[in-house]
Amino acid sequence: AQSVTQLGSHVSVSEGALVLLRCNYSSSVPPYLFWYVQYPNQGLQLLLKYTSAATLVKGINGFEAEFKKSETSFHLTKPSAHMSDAAEYFCAVSGGPYSGGGADGLTFGKGTHLIIQP
Amino acid sequence: DAGVIQSPRHEVTEMGQEVTLRCKPISGHDYLFWYRQTMMRGLELLIYFNNNVPIDDSGMPEDRFSAKMPNASFSTLKIQPSEPRDSAVYFCASSWASIPDTQYFGPGTRLTVL
Repeated sequence: AQSVTQLGSHVSVSEGALVLLRCNYSSSVPPYLFWYVQYPNQGLQLLLKYTSAATLVKGINGFEAEFKKSETSFHLTKPSAHMSDAAEYFCAVSGGPYSGGGADGLTFGKGTHLIIQP
Repeated sequence: DAGVIQSPRHEVTEMGQEVTLRCKPISGHDYLFWYRQTMMRGLELLIYFNNNVPIDDSGMPEDRFSAKMPNASFSTLKIQPSEPRDSAVYFCASSWASIPDTQYFGPGTRLTVL
């Protein structure tokens, strides 16, 4: 069984400030972890993913995330926020290669709404 | 590639009516997923297919929900009869067998049941 907890349903930062969105996971097998972004009235777009290679993962739009097994965390960061980063962000987990040989779908967190203050 | 295509984008119907949502996955993808997004429950996996075969439908909430994938380029999610609590955004996603967890999402269908 897997689960994801995203701390903070809303996060507000000033333009140019550091963005930090928190994600903690629970998984009975070594997980694959993902961050997706959803802009208003659109589908989800993959930002980055961790699949047991490098623990620091770089994604699109200047975002990165670090897998910390000891803390069961996969927090998303960006050094300098831009107005265009305002969106809903979802952390997700899957069982990866341990999910019975195929995909078992993603388990998503509840999402964090990122607000950028001018 | 056009990406995952869903239709309609918006659907408003009355309680008791049949609703059919449609999805065209990315060409060549082997997996297809249906998700539902609500404020209360977030994003939930309803069902997924591998090579047109349903693999796991444990997320389908009730017998009123059914999904089919008659061929590699088309899938439907049907609700019959619909109820107000089915109001949600329904997403379709697809992926390659080599990296099944990397899913590409469609724009979603916003369903409102009055």
